[in-house]
Amino acid sequence: DGGITQSPKYLFRKEGQNVTLSCEQNLNHDAMYWYRQDPGQGLRLIYYSQIVNDFQKGDIAEGYSVSREKKESFPLTVTSAQKNPTAFYLCASRVYSDSYNSPLHFGNGTRLTVT
Amino acid sequence: AQSVTQPDIHITVSEGASLELRCNYSYGATPYLFWYVQSPGQGLQLLLKYFSGDTLVQGIKGFEAEFKRSQSSFNLRKPSVHWSDAAEYFCAVGASANAGKSTFGDGTTLTVKP
Repeated sequence: DGGITQSPKYLFRKEGQNVTLSCEQNLNHDAMYWYRQDPGQGLRLIYYSQIVNDFQKGDIAEGYSVSREKKESFPLTVTSAQKNPTAFYLCASRVYSDSYNSPLHFGNGTRLTVT
Repeated sequence: AQSVTQPDIHITVSEGASLELRCNYSYGATPYLFWYVQSPGQGLQLLLKYFSGDTLVQGIKGFEAEFKRSQSSFNLRKPSVHWSDAAEYFCAVGASANAGKSTFGDGTTLTVKP
């Protein structure tokens, strides 16, 4: 079955360490997105990528970095510069970036806890 | 800029009762509207979408939504709620430009009483 795989489901890190969240899709979608979800705040866009080797900052990109070396993969690194990294992170994809009338497909998320 | 407001943070209904979740959007052109559902600790799943045509759209799991341009609303309804409908519900608007980015509301948590 096609879908988006996020790993790991739970991730624990010490403050000051960088951590990378994995996102892999086999839907052959061009566009991929990273969202952060905090209680009561809905989803906020961190980064998005419309094609391979290209990505743009979303609304809350500070303290995060991404790469898009392959169509299937869009890993997110949470750096030590991110002031409040503990959150639920969701990866999503869409057929094309300008297919605004097509829905996003989501992975099952990674819950990151930094202490 | 586009925005979405879900006025109700939390709604409780009895099993078998009807449900309406409110969504108001702000967007200058024709909006592309979506409802998603999220179970605890999971990703979001599409319930239904609207972008043209009939203003009453049917979705999965017995849900429907009605687009009302005059009220800038896209409310989600279900005639009879099941205990398994307990989840968080998100309304989202898609842009006709803007790299296909969607803007989400803050969500409404639905609790179903037995």
